[in-house]
Amino acid sequence: DQQVKQNSPSLSVQEGRISILNCDYTNSMFDYFLWYKKYPAEGPTFLISISSIKDKNEDGRFTVFLNKSAKHLSLHIVPSQPGDSAVYFCAASTSNTGKLIFGQGTTLQVKP
Amino acid sequence: EAGVVQSPRYKIIEKKQPVAFWCNPISGHNTLYWYRQNLGQGPELLIRYENEEAVDDSQLPKDRFSAERLKGVDSTLKIQPAELGDSAVYLCASSSLATGPNYGYTFGSGTRLTVV
Repeated sequence: DQQVKQNSPSLSVQEGRISILNCDYTNSMFDYFLWYKKYPAEGPTFLISISSIKDKNEDGRFTVFLNKSAKHLSLHIVPSQPGDSAVYFCAASTSNTGKLIFGQGTTLQVKP
Repeated sequence: EAGVVQSPRYKIIEKKQPVAFWCNPISGHNTLYWYRQNLGQGPELLIRYENEEAVDDSQLPKDRFSAERLKGVDSTLKIQPAELGDSAVYLCASSSLATGPNYGYTFGSGTRLTVV
């Protein structure tokens, strides 16, 4: 039972354009959503998060949008840079468990 | 500030052999997690510690896996005996009780285990 799904295994965009990574979830009890970025041979690093009481959170070039009715969140990167090329994981948690449920990841390639 | 330190980085063992992984979390982080990441998948929680207490080990295969966090700091994860399906990256992470996990764990670089 995959509670957090990233249905696109990979995404390729041109430098300077927008990257949009998508994530769907099934558990309505999730109240926090996070995005992690992972380079090869490194652990995932925290990128940005959003509480379920919000629908948007922005941090520099990164914006996360949450649509609770659709159980969908997305990460927008504008403008995309070659250094953004990595695997991106979305994750979800319920505050009282302290446990993150991760999606399968989407590999983003930003071409110069 | 030093990050989460894991060792070894890589390990290759024959099936049925034992193996152990070590993790040193960020100083002051009360909560420590062990995750397993299979190829092409996201990390999955194995066990979570609050200080020295294992508060969630529901996903830990207890017939062959064991973990400990003596004195509430460093932790070790052991597999005995290892099976071919245990080949994966084992990730350790930590977080502070003050900020909780919702502002992001800090992960180590992981140990890549290959069982042959």
